[in-house]
Amino acid sequence: EAGVTQFPSHSVIEKGQTVTLRCDPISGHDNLYWYRRVMGKEIKFLLHFVKESKQDESGMPNNRFLAERTGGTYSTLKVQPAELEDSGVYFCASSFRDYRQTDTQYFGPGTRLTVL
Amino acid sequence: ILNVEQSPQSLHVQEGDSTNFTCSFPSSNFYALHWYRWETAKSPEALFVMTLNGDEKKKGRISATLNTKEGYSYLYIKGSQPEDSATYLCAFQGDSSYKLIFGSGTRLLVRP
Repeated sequence: EAGVTQFPSHSVIEKGQTVTLRCDPISGHDNLYWYRRVMGKEIKFLLHFVKESKQDESGMPNNRFLAERTGGTYSTLKVQPAELEDSGVYFCASSFRDYRQTDTQYFGPGTRLTVL
Repeated sequence: ILNVEQSPQSLHVQEGDSTNFTCSFPSSNFYALHWYRWETAKSPEALFVMTLNGDEKKKGRISATLNTKEGYSYLYIKGSQPEDSATYLCAFQGDSSYKLIFGSGTRLLVRP
């Protein structure tokens, strides 16, 4: 079974540009999460989808970040316009059912974003 | 603000040594504690999800214990091997929430 995949693996952009990150969760997983790790600090939660609905977006830093999950399958995270402090590793994770809170969250390898 | 602390920050051991590290988390509103093993540029690998006070889980040479009343979990590696070198992350999950709150990790280096 394929794991969580993320694209691209690396992205280098200039301040002010737009970047879109993509996540494909494990097939059949209702829950999809975005996290990020900035500047060697701990991994921090951004938001949580249940199918196509945003369940919790309390970790989104500001309105330059927009996440979507069309049709409850893959998800995109757009940063527009990117700022220097957005540099970091963006992880996507998925878990099985929406009523089993303690299901394992399976992580992708992350997208390393560098904003110059 | 919920704080998850891991110690030590890094650890160098010799092949064959057994080692352990600590994760401290809030003892109130506890729901679950997750352990991950992470090698840079790879996906964090799920090791355990622990929910019950006194829980002990094992996967090969790696085991973990949980004390929810005092807010800590220990991860043990028996007979460390060079391939165990990685960062070990713990993540707290509070009541009624799906989000994981991570510690900063313990970086383990096992020398051959």
